[in-house]
Amino acid sequence: DTGVSQNPRHKITKRGQNVTFRCDPISEHNRLYWYRQTLGQGPEFLTYFQNEAQLEKSRLLSDRFSAERPKGSFSTLEIQRTEQGDSAMYLCASSLGLDGELFFGEGSRLTVL
Amino acid sequence: AQSVTQPDIHITVSEGASLELRCNYSYGATPYLFWYVQSPGQGLQLLLKYFSGDTLVQGIKGFEAEFKISQSSFNLRKPSVHWSDAAEYFCAVASSGGYQKVTFGTGTKLQVIP
Repeated sequence: DTGVSQNPRHKITKRGQNVTFRCDPISEHNRLYWYRQTLGQGPEFLTYFQNEAQLEKSRLLSDRFSAERPKGSFSTLEIQRTEQGDSAMYLCASSLGLDGELFFGEGSRLTVL
Repeated sequence: AQSVTQPDIHITVSEGASLELRCNYSYGATPYLFWYVQSPGQGLQLLLKYFSGDTLVQGIKGFEAEFKISQSSFNLRKPSVHWSDAAEYFCAVASSGGYQKVTFGTGTKLQVIP
């Protein structure tokens, strides 16, 4: 069990550029979540996958955000035309079964200049 | 919709003193409840969880929490705080049905003074 892995750990980009984050969940976990966390706030739910199916997407997510989980393994979160308000820590978590316990990665911090 | 309220943004306690962090939830049925801890530069780590059964739950690092359905609360406690407990603590709620979407509170930052 190598835990949840997220890359890159930190991304600095200019406004208007596209960025992509990758999450590798714990291998046997079929559920994968993306959250966003800003300073002084708790994690905010963005989207959820069960296997390869995206089952819920938060209304917080504009059309500039897209997430995929091909073949139910790793996941990517892409932000197009980044804005300064997108600066945050993007957290990935995975879980197995019905107990709701999430295992988090260390996050990918996005800074938009 | 489920939600969590952590009324204390910041708490300071002396090392060796007892600790209680408050958490109130809103959910239409009996929920799943969690406490996570986040140390600077670290990922979120699960301290303890409640699904059913005994309402007093023991967790790691000497923490415990009590589920009180009449008060919709799930407060976190520790009898004697250590300097290494300084961190941010998040209460979270998940539905007991469906896919268990987990909703977090805004967190309580704990400072421990000598």
